[in-house]
Amino acid sequence: KAGVTQTPRYLIKTRGQQVTLSCSPISGHRSVSWYQQTPGQGLQFLFEYFSETQRNKGNFPGRFSGRQFSNSRSEMNVSTLELGDSALYLCASSDIAGGPSYEQYFGPGTRLTVT
Amino acid sequence: KQEVTQIPAALSVPEGENLVLNCSFTDSAIYNLQWFRQDPGKGLTSLLLIQSSQREQTSGRLNASLDKSSGRSTLYIAASQPGDSATYLCAVFNAGGTSYGKLTFGQGTILTVHP
Repeated sequence: KAGVTQTPRYLIKTRGQQVTLSCSPISGHRSVSWYQQTPGQGLQFLFEYFSETQRNKGNFPGRFSGRQFSNSRSEMNVSTLELGDSALYLCASSDIAGGPSYEQYFGPGTRLTVT
Repeated sequence: KQEVTQIPAALSVPEGENLVLNCSFTDSAIYNLQWFRQDPGKGLTSLLLIQSSQREQTSGRLNASLDKSSGRSTLYIAASQPGDSATYLCAVFNAGGTSYGKLTFGQGTILTVHP
């Protein structure tokens, strides 16, 4: 099976702009989680989607949003970008229906730089 | 609130040494624990997953143990090689509906193996 894919891999944006990142999970996986990784805060959970529904959300401002489509692909959007949003954004997929392991498989990430 | 701590923060060893990475967590009500490897600027690669009912898992030169009651896990790497140099991350998945899709990560251990 192909792994988790994320596009684009690199982005440079200006403060105040908005950005949309995309994640395609492993075929058959219906749960997609998003994380932000920064040198200071480490890996922090943003939100999780399952069957097009957001089931969980981390402690991030409303500028961070996401959605999931019927084919399980997910997008996250950050509006009104701030310098502090510069980070590696990782998505992970999980095959919940396949058993109780809840093992998460991560994509390569999108490196966002805000100038 | 779950908190995950990894010790040491960094480790530098000569090739061939056996080494132990430590992970502790504050809330023992976990569903599973995953160990990941991350190379600079890359995504996360899952190394081992231990279910809460298990005591250990092995894969090649890697062995991970879990003591849920004391909130500890160790990752043992045998006969270390320069290719093992990376950041190793421990993450826990809590039981309960408010934890959908959310892994809580430690800050990682940066491992350098010298030839």
